Amino acid sequence: EPEVTQTPSHQVTQMGQEVILRCVPISNHLYFYWYRQILGQKVEFLVSFYNNEISEKSEIFDDQFSVERPDGSNFTLKIRSTKLEDSAMYFCASSGFSNQPQHFGDGTRLSIL
Amino acid sequence: DQQVKQNSPSLSVQEGRISILNCDYTNSMFDYFLWYKKYPAEGPTFLISISSIKDKNEDGRFTVFLNKSAKHLSLHIVPSQPGDSAVYFCAASDGGGYGGSQGNLIFGKGTKLSVKP
Repeated sequence: EPEVTQTPSHQVTQMGQEVILRCVPISNHLYFYWYRQILGQKVEFLVSFYNNEISEKSEIFDDQFSVERPDGSNFTLKIRSTKLEDSAMYFCASSGFSNQPQHFGDGTRLSIL
Repeated sequence: DQQVKQNSPSLSVQEGRISILNCDYTNSMFDYFLWYKKYPAEGPTFLISISSIKDKNEDGRFTVFLNKSAKHLSLHIVPSQPGDSAVYFCAASDGGGYGGSQGNLIFGKGTKLSVKP
């Protein structure tokens, strides 16, 4: 069964550094998402992406965050200057056309020191 | 702001019996609901969904019931198996996503299900 794959599985970064989290969505999917889960808290929506542009973003997704689909397969989340509170599991998800469920990757654990 | 609530943090069930996981929501604009299962160190795995035009959807051992007037949905697993032990998340969407997508998902906090042999 097709999967969403995320790399790396664990990223350790110094505070203030830039980090890029990578995702390969399911190949025929059109909608792409990033979520995060801070330890002990809910899974929270960050941003959705469709037709090469952001379609929706949450309050969490401030100017430090950006997303890109640099080629036909990858979908990336960049955090420009990481803060301690950015430490979380980051999940990428993708879905096909209209009202199809979102399928999630296994996440990247981001640890900011 | 808890638009999706799962009030039971944990549930323990005997193998072979029914597991019932509950979820309440407050936003009447939600029109699409999903259940995900999550094992440690893995991402949420889609289980089953239901549109607000239905009140029941069944897939094998899994059935989701939606009561719109009560803003309540439940997931029934029968018979429960030890491999079902995981955290179960309820999620909802208002379908307001760009391009006709379901939009972003609002998750509950999850219920940890333990199925004992």
